[in-house]
Parts: sequence; structure tokens; C-alpha cells
Amino acid sequence: DSGVTQTPKHLITATGQRVTLRCSPRSGDLSVYWYQQSLDQGLQFLIQYYNGEERAKGNILERFSAQQFPDLHSELNLSSLELGDSALYFCASSPRGDRLTYEQYFGPGTRLTVT
Amino acid sequence: DAKTTQPPSMDCAEGRAANLPCNHSTISGNEYVYWYRQIHSQGPQYIIHGLKNNETNEMASLIITEDRKSSTLILPHATLRDTAVYYCIVRVASGTASKLTFGTGTRLQVTL
Repeated sequence: DSGVTQTPKHLITATGQRVTLRCSPRSGDLSVYWYQQSLDQGLQFLIQYYNGEERAKGNILERFSAQQFPDLHSELNLSSLELGDSALYFCASSPRGDRLTYEQYFGPGTRLTVT
Repeated sequence: DAKTTQPPSMDCAEGRAANLPCNHSTISGNEYVYWYRQIHSQGPQYIIHGLKNNETNEMASLIITEDRKSSTLILPHATLRDTAVYYCIVRVASGTASKLTFGTGTRLQVTL
């Protein structure tokens, strides 16, 4: 158990709909990352938040957005869903501290199926 | 981040050492080598990382060549539960961390 929690575990929805995925980082971790894993694209970085602010963006579609709240939990919002958005979505968090290197701890993921 | 090259798959007998190679010939001086693994569809799991010295923890050992252009992850006594996809990732460390760029990894199959 990494200490990162994600809800829901599974989500089935229809095309055109909007969903929200939730992530609670490990206690004390300030950084939250979102990754998407699909069969054809592998694991891809979407976006990073650090202490409530967006820090880095990857291959995140404009239909997707994220935020990190004052209690450090994060939500990933996916809208106008398409069949191709079906994937595993992972959240990861990394420790705070003075070290220059940080491991990322991944949650169990949310499996999104768009029908 | 530097690109890495790993064999797509490897087999290992249970109880034997699993040696997973990774080439990162374009690595820069300030880039670290990280290893993660993903068991089935679970979230990736951090294993170990290093800069230039060999590293060991309770899970594995990391051997980095002197020129830092390649490395080997060693699982000393592989078990069936070590069957997973292993990712070698090279990235710059920063004060506020940075993204992980996953390649296709090595699928390790541990057999009886």
C-alpha cells in the first residue's frame, strides 16, 4: 500500500459525459501527478500540481483539467468523453523535504471505460 | 530527459537473480537513473534510484557503469511475485520533483 488513494476504482460512462477522478496523496506530500495509461500509448504524464499550483503539463487534452485543493487532494476532470479516453488513470505523490531526488508513490488507479 | 533502451522481455527462474539491463547513452551529468515496476495493472512501484554509485536497498541493487551510459537492476532472488514490467527512467532531479517519462519497459516473467 503506497498510501495514495484514488476513487473511484472503476468508472463506466458514455461518450460525451463528464467525470471527476479523485486522489488523496500520502500524508505530507505536496506534489501530485496524474498519469494516463492506455493500451496503445503506455504510461503518459498528464499534469503536476505542487502545493496547490500547477507545476508542469504533459500530454493533457484541453477537455481535461485538474486542480489541487488546500488539503492537498487533487481532482482530474475529464469532459466530452470519447471512446479513446478509456484508460487507467493513476495519481502519484512525492515527498516533501530537502533532498534533491524524490520518488513518486502511485495510487491503485481508476479504470475509466467510455462506451 | 535522456532516452532509455530496455529489452522487451526476459525470463528468470524463481530463486535465481534477475538482471535487467538498461542503456542510457545520452544521460547527462545531472540526471539520475530510476527504476519502477508495474505488476499487472497496479500502480507503478518505486524500486531504487542512483546517480553514479551502486545502490542497494531491501528490494534490489542498482549497478551503474563508470561512464553512466548503462545500468543493471538486480533482483537477487526473484520470486513469482516479481513478475512485472520494469521501467528504467532517467530524469533530472529538482527541488520540486518532475515528471516520470515511461518507456515500454522490460516484461520480466519469473517461472518455477
